[in-house]
This record gives sequence, C-alpha cells and structure tokens, in this order.
Amino acid sequence: GDSVTQTEGQVALSEEDFLTIHCNYSASGYPALFWYVQYPGEGPQFLFRASRDKEKGSSRGFEATYDKGTTSFHLRKASVQESDSAVYYCALGYGNMGYKLTFGTGTSLLVDP
Amino acid sequence: EAGVTQSPRYAVLQEGQAVSFWCDPISGHDTLYWYQQPRDQGPQLLVYFRDEAVIDNSQLPSDRFSAVRPKGTNSTLKIQSAKQGDTATYLCASSFLGGAEQFFGPGTRLTVL
Repeated sequence: GDSVTQTEGQVALSEEDFLTIHCNYSASGYPALFWYVQYPGEGPQFLFRASRDKEKGSSRGFEATYDKGTTSFHLRKASVQESDSAVYYCALGYGNMGYKLTFGTGTSLLVDP
Repeated sequence: EAGVTQSPRYAVLQEGQAVSFWCDPISGHDTLYWYQQPRDQGPQLLVYFRDEAVIDNSQLPSDRFSAVRPKGTNSTLKIQSAKQGDTATYLCASSFLGGAEQFFGPGTRLTVL
C-alpha cells in the first residue's frame, strides 16, 4: 500500500535557522501531497498541499515542491521562530468524495529562542 | 465560526468496556472523518462520510468499531469491548464538499487499562 516516510523524528534548531524536514512517499497512483502541523493538545492543522509534479505549496513562510522524480515533498523554511515548535506531518491522499489521507510518523521541531 | 467540537475530551476504561465519541463538524461541512492517532504516531483514517453515506470504512475494525452519521451532521464513533491496543487519541475532522483541507477537532484521548 501507499506510505509516507519522514526520516527525522526530531529536529532541534535555534531561532533564525533554516529548516528542512524530509518527506518521501511511495504511491501506486498520482496522489496529492500535504503538510499538516500539530501543536500540543490540538488536532493537526492544514498547512498546504500540492497536486501535481513541480507544483509548489506554501503557507506561513513554509514551502515544499512536489517532485515526482524523487518521490519527495520536503518542507523548508528560511528562518524559524520559537512559535514554529510543533510536530509536522507529511501526508498523501486521493480525492474521492473527500480525501483519504495517509500520514507519515511526524517530525517534532523544537526551536530554541 | 466555531471549529470542530468533540466530546468527551478524555476517557479511561477497563478492557471489555464500551465507549462512544461524539463529533460536531463545522457548520455546512458535508464530509466528516474519524482518525485514530496512537501516541507519537501520525493519524490513521478509520472511516469517512459524505453527508450520511459511508465513503470508506476499509480501515475500521468492524468487529468492535462502528460509526454513524444519521442526519449528515453530527457523528458518533463507538468501540464495543475496548482493548488496551485501542489506547490512542481519536480525532474527528471535517471538510466542505470533500475539499482537500480538513479541519480537525481537539480529539478524545482514550486510555484502556
């Protein structure tokens, strides 16, 4: 079946550092790709999605580009803030009267002030 | 605008007991999802509805789990005879017209002793 792999379980940075969280996927079809963010005690929040090869998604200073060739959708931010500390999930999904999402295991980001 | 609401927020059971979770989606959202999120893992889709119809319940353990959305608005997820392996947070999400952005509630944290 389809799957999403996030290689970093935890990332620790200082404010204004550059962020990269790696996401690779394996899919039988041509899915849409998503990033969600989850703060403690809350449900995940949608960041953005991309639906086709070379499409870039972005929100709140975060961005990722759909790369079908390397089956990747890496999350990047040029300058992180303490408030970005959270768990980030990469996901894939297909539209069918809704989106059946498959999530990765998540990457916990801790930003020191 | 009110977000997705869930109740209860916490539940603690002995193995073999039954429990129900309730979800009120964002007003006007016709698509509703139930996810299970074990500790330190990503959400895993259990079932989703478009209005009152089940679109996909292939990941719902049908022998002990059931979900209904009789009027296409609120929804109930029930676990009969809970097991320790059911310990997780149960998340409800909704979207408009099956759109890609899913809005999550805060979840119900279930502990089965």
